[in-house]
Amino acid sequence: NAGVTQTPKFRILKIGQSMTLQCTQDMNHNYMYWYRQDPGMGLKLIYYSVGAGITDKGEVPNGYNVSRSTTEDFPLRLELAAPSQTSVYFCASSYPRRGQGASVSTDTQYFGPGTRLTVL
Amino acid sequence: QKEVEQNSGPLSVPEGAIASLNCTYSDRGSQSFFWYRQYSGKSPELIMSIYSNGDKEDGRFTAQLNKASQYVSLLIRDSQPSDSATYLCAVNINFGNEKLTFGTGTRLTIIP
Repeated sequence: NAGVTQTPKFRILKIGQSMTLQCTQDMNHNYMYWYRQDPGMGLKLIYYSVGAGITDKGEVPNGYNVSRSTTEDFPLRLELAAPSQTSVYFCASSYPRRGQGASVSTDTQYFGPGTRLTVL
Repeated sequence: QKEVEQNSGPLSVPEGAIASLNCTYSDRGSQSFFWYRQYSGKSPELIMSIYSNGDKEDGRFTAQLNKASQYVSLLIRDSQPSDSATYLCAVNINFGNEKLTFGTGTRLTIIP
């Protein structure tokens, strides 16, 4: 298994340009996540998905969009790039962990190698 | 109050000593706890997961969970220079939650 893969590894954008960060996992995980990590800071959740066709906002969704048409892929779209979006972007995936009854939660998250984005 | 708190460090430990990393969390209903290691410029990788009170050992790593006091710790025995990294604590705040909440990480430096 390749695990979680992300492309590109690096990208420089000009202000106002758009791009899509690709994320693919081959572990048949239901849950997928997009985080950004600014220098010296922790991970901030941008968007997440609990299955194909289902997405939800995280802590910092503004300026981003996502889609989840398949279990494997979870692309992140940046529209009108701004310098504040300069960051390292990580995609992650996990299995749901089942509790009593119908409740499920995320369990261990597995991370991709990241995309380092600079907006000038 | 932050939901998951860690001392940002840096924490400096001599080679061969025990490194102790601590994490506190605010939600008493939290169920799952994880320690990730992140080398500079790399992605987080899972070191340990723990779900029940007590200790869980894996090689040189021991995770300790105390739900009553709402803390989880990571001990690294016989610290090696290769252990120098940032360690992230992550918590599933409550069951039924699809998200993990991460602390900001503790930067650990092992001094040869």
